[in-house]
Amino acid sequence: DVKVTQSSRYLVKRTGEKVFLECVQDMDHENMFWYRQDPGLGLRLIYFSYDVKMKEKGDIPEGYSVSREKKERFSLILESASTNQTSMYLCASTLRASGANVLTFGAGSRLTVL
Amino acid sequence: AQSVTQLDSQVPVFEEAPVELRCNYSSSVSVYLFWYVQYPNQGLQLLLKYLSGSTLVKGINGFEAEFNKSQTSFHLRKPSVHISDTAEYFCAVSEGAGGYQKVTFGTGTKLQVIP
Repeated sequence: DVKVTQSSRYLVKRTGEKVFLECVQDMDHENMFWYRQDPGLGLRLIYFSYDVKMKEKGDIPEGYSVSREKKERFSLILESASTNQTSMYLCASTLRASGANVLTFGAGSRLTVL
Repeated sequence: AQSVTQLDSQVPVFEEAPVELRCNYSSSVSVYLFWYVQYPNQGLQLLLKYLSGSTLVKGINGFEAEFNKSQTSFHLRKPSVHISDTAEYFCAVSEGAGGYQKVTFGTGTKLQVIP
């Protein structure tokens, strides 16, 4: 069964800490995405990557950065966590092919910043 | 720019009753449309998708959706809901060709099935 695995389901961090959220997929997908999910706001795209070492800003990149050193791994980095970054973070991946592709999601990482 | 509107944030419905979850989109180009479902404490999974062809699309668990280009809508329906359908449902639109796709999600509709 294909999988997107997010390393931490629940994290609690303090304001100002550096936070790493890791995502690994085993489907050989080229495209990977990071979304945050907030009640009433749905899913908002933070960053995506369509190849190793490539990244593109999504709709809300401020306060975040990403790293894609290997095809299967896409990391989201909060350089200095703030309370307004308390949220559910969802990683997803999809093949790079013509036409529409279905996103495969991880189970999510719920981050609380105190 | 593409956008997705789900006007109903919550929809309560009795078990075995029909349900319709509404979705409207806007885009300047041809799009692909999706419904995803999120069960409690889980990630999203695909319910169904519209790429082209027949405007009535059937998905898993008895759900179906109808693409209406003139009304820019993609409403989700089920003739008889079960308790297990209680979840949050997200409509999404994808535009772009080849390897570059941007997927935009609506704000979600929580379906509450009442026994």
